[in-house]
Amino acid sequence: AQSVAQPEDQVNVAEGNPLTVKCTYSVSGNPYLFWYVQYPNRGLQFLLKYITGDNLVKGSYGFEAEFNKSQTSFHLKKPSALVSDSALYFCAVRDEDSSASKIIFGSGTRLSIRP
Amino acid sequence: GAVVSQHPSRVICKSGTSVKIECRSLDFQATTMFWYRQFPKQSLMLMATSNEGSKATYEQGVEKDKFLINHASLTLSTLTVTSAHPEDSSFYICSARSSGGAQFQSEQYFGPGTRLTVT
Repeated sequence: AQSVAQPEDQVNVAEGNPLTVKCTYSVSGNPYLFWYVQYPNRGLQFLLKYITGDNLVKGSYGFEAEFNKSQTSFHLKKPSALVSDSALYFCAVRDEDSSASKIIFGSGTRLSIRP
Repeated sequence: GAVVSQHPSRVICKSGTSVKIECRSLDFQATTMFWYRQFPKQSLMLMATSNEGSKATYEQGVEKDKFLINHASLTLSTLTVTSAHPEDSSFYICSARSSGGAQFQSEQYFGPGTRLTVT
């Protein structure tokens, strides 16, 4: 079975500082990993994904994530946070080897950027 | 990029009535569609997976007789909440996977969600 964990319910960062939102995963096969952002009363917006290749993945709005196979992690990062980055962030995983091949979401981390 | 639409975006219904939510892939064909439910300040929970022309596969704990899913075409899936009750009030999000390319290379796109309020 596949699962994904986001250990932090909330992350608070000052504008201009770097930010990290943590994610760890568990799959039986090779993982496809995703990050999505959700603004209030809105659907999901895709940020980035890892399927294969370089461990550092660059995505939308200046975000990037680093795939670490040994630590089974896929932390989301941004060098300099903006107030507009404040939102709910979801890490998600899809098990490549699963016949169901469905995306499972983490519990979400609320990112709050203070001016 | 690919677009998935949902209709309606918001619906309020009375307890005991049924509500149908539509999910459409606008510019691609989707052999597989997924329905998620999100309660306030919580994550998205997968309810069911539907493949065009076959019965949906429901996740554990989801009542298939209450949440009827129909995936009649490659661009349309519907979720019907039957005999809705206040505890069914939630944000329902559909997702569609394109049928092009290898299964695990195909993208999964999300709709904007439908806010259901049962009074």
